[in-house]
Amino acid sequence: GESVGLHLPTLSVQEGDNSIINCAYSNSASDYFIWYKQESGKGPQFIIDIRSNMDKRQGQRVTVLLNKTVKHLSLQIAATQPGDSAVYFCAENWAMGGNMLTFGGGTRLMVKP
Amino acid sequence: DAGITQSPRYKITETGRQVTLMCHQTWSHSYMFWYRQDLGHGLRLIYYSAAADITDKGEVPDGYVVSRSKTENFPLTLESATRSQTSVYFCASSGTGVSQPQHFGDGTRLSIL
Repeated sequence: GESVGLHLPTLSVQEGDNSIINCAYSNSASDYFIWYKQESGKGPQFIIDIRSNMDKRQGQRVTVLLNKTVKHLSLQIAATQPGDSAVYFCAENWAMGGNMLTFGGGTRLMVKP
Repeated sequence: DAGITQSPRYKITETGRQVTLMCHQTWSHSYMFWYRQDLGHGLRLIYYSAAADITDKGEVPDGYVVSRSKTENFPLTLESATRSQTSVYFCASSGTGVSQPQHFGDGTRLSIL
């Protein structure tokens, strides 16, 4: 598994700024990707997903970008708010793997007021 | 409300005891999963189930037992708890078909003394 907790990379942003969280995925055959948000004491919460036939998908204040050439995924959060402070991690799935997900290690987002 | 609930939220027990963690979902999802989350290891899959009466091992199954007699329930049992099983345990579920996100409960924090 990946390292989390004490060894989590941390992104610190000012409230109101945009945040970009990056993820390098491992399997070139992966065709479905998810971003999760995990707040302290809670379970991972689904934010947004994207299929491999797309390179961009937008939600409410969030955008996911997929670059299959370099196996890179990013989550952009517009106008970051204190409530966005959490650990964010990506997950990948490939159709032949059934409903199994492989999770990245996570990035801690800290929003400064 | 529909969702996935875990119980208990917190549990303290002693080594050698048997303990069962409960998971219940109201979405009628086919797939259910058990993960443990530890500092330094991220989310690791213990067991999963594709349907009632169908279960399979994940990455770290030793010391755990699962059952799935009903679609909505997926209990996880530690037959003889050890200190190394101190962790936060998350249950998740997902629907059948390609590109399905997993939805998580809020976890059970288990301490084994």
